[in-house]
Amino acid sequence: AQSVSQHNHHVILSEAASLELGCNYSYGGTVNLFWYVQYPGQHLQLLLKYFSGDPLVKGIKGFEAEFIKSKFSFNLRKPSVQWSDTAEYFCAVNEENNDMRFGAGTRLTVKP
Amino acid sequence: DSGVTQTPKHLITATGQRVTLRCSPRSGDLSVYWYQQSLDQGLQFLIQYYNGEERAKGNILERFSAQQFPDLHSELNLSSLELGDSALYFCASSPSAGGLETQYFGPGTRLLVL
Repeated sequence: AQSVSQHNHHVILSEAASLELGCNYSYGGTVNLFWYVQYPGQHLQLLLKYFSGDPLVKGIKGFEAEFIKSKFSFNLRKPSVQWSDTAEYFCAVNEENNDMRFGAGTRLTVKP
Repeated sequence: DSGVTQTPKHLITATGQRVTLRCSPRSGDLSVYWYQQSLDQGLQFLIQYYNGEERAKGNILERFSAQQFPDLHSELNLSSLELGDSALYFCASSPSAGGLETQYFGPGTRLLVL
């Protein structure tokens, strides 16, 4: 079965550290890729998405992600995190049959 | 603000009861999706409706059902509730039934079954 894997369950960083959250998926067909963020007590918000074209996509709040088709990966990155980035991050894959699948989420804690 | 609204925000009920969660999609969106987010299961896709018809089904229990009305709002009905049904239920919408587009999420309904 198709799946989305986020290998980091909880990441703890200090402010100004660089961030990379891993996301791998198993579906081999045409996909769209997303990163959603859920701040404490809030709902899911779209951080960025990849549909086609440049595999390096830029999102809101300084986040970016790179689609590497050969590795079935869509890792999220930010050069310098802030305390306000503390949240849970979900990678999602939208397959052709419209079944959106989410990874288990990665909780990011940024220490001030 | 995504434009997707959900009511109620919080719901507390007892085991064995039945509840209805409501979702209004973004203006112009024809598809509505329901998701369940729980601590042990993570975020799971339940079901999708497109223009009033069921389009896709995920890990939805038989005790749960949904429908989409002519005005495109959707309701998720949860019956014979169990403690394990306590979760955050999200609704999302997208413009069409196509598989490859962005879904916009509502704020969620937090259900607590006692």
